[in-house]
Amino acid sequence: GNSVTQMEGPVTLSEEAFLTINCTYTATGYPSLFWYVQYPGEGLQLLLKATKADDKGSNKGFEATYRKETTSFHLEKGSVQVSDSAVYFCALILYNQGGKLIFGQGTELSVKP
Amino acid sequence: DVKVTQSSRYLVKRTGEKVFLECVQDMDHENMFWYRQDPGLGLRLIYFSYDVKMKEKGDIPEGYSVSREKKERFSLILESASTNQTSMYLCASSLGTGVLNEQFFGPGTRLTVL
Repeated sequence: GNSVTQMEGPVTLSEEAFLTINCTYTATGYPSLFWYVQYPGEGLQLLLKATKADDKGSNKGFEATYRKETTSFHLEKGSVQVSDSAVYFCALILYNQGGKLIFGQGTELSVKP
Repeated sequence: DVKVTQSSRYLVKRTGEKVFLECVQDMDHENMFWYRQDPGLGLRLIYFSYDVKMKEKGDIPEGYSVSREKKERFSLILESASTNQTSMYLCASSLGTGVLNEQFFGPGTRLTVL
């Protein structure tokens, strides 16, 4: 079946530290990949996306590269801020799934000053 | 900006009650979705709809039903609420079904069933 696995949280970092949140996927077809972010008390927002192998999605200093050979889409940021504290979800979508997103379990990030 | 609104941020109900969760989007989107969010499980799709009066089961439809009488409104119904339906419920909408059609999410309704 199709699934997404993320590294477990919570992840706690100091401000300006380097961030990596691992995400791997299993898919029967050729998925597009997404990272969503959920700030405290809010719904999910699309952070970045990639639709084919070797694509790099980027936004707000975050980056993720679609690696078909390792079925991965790890999220990275060079220098985190307190305002990046949130829950991050990796997700995939397949052409033949009619727009249905399949989410990982979410990784909570806490950034301390 | 796309706006997806949900009728309540917090809701407390008793076991056996019929519960209605309402979702409204203001951008004429074709597709609407209901998810539940639980710690350690991420988001799981309950039901979705591609058009008015159309509905499709998601991954966990048991115990839920939906209604879409108008394009902008998608309701989730718990016919007889149970304690295992205590969760955060998120509504989303998208313009189309292609992979590039971003889903926009509402703020969520945290439901507690006592």
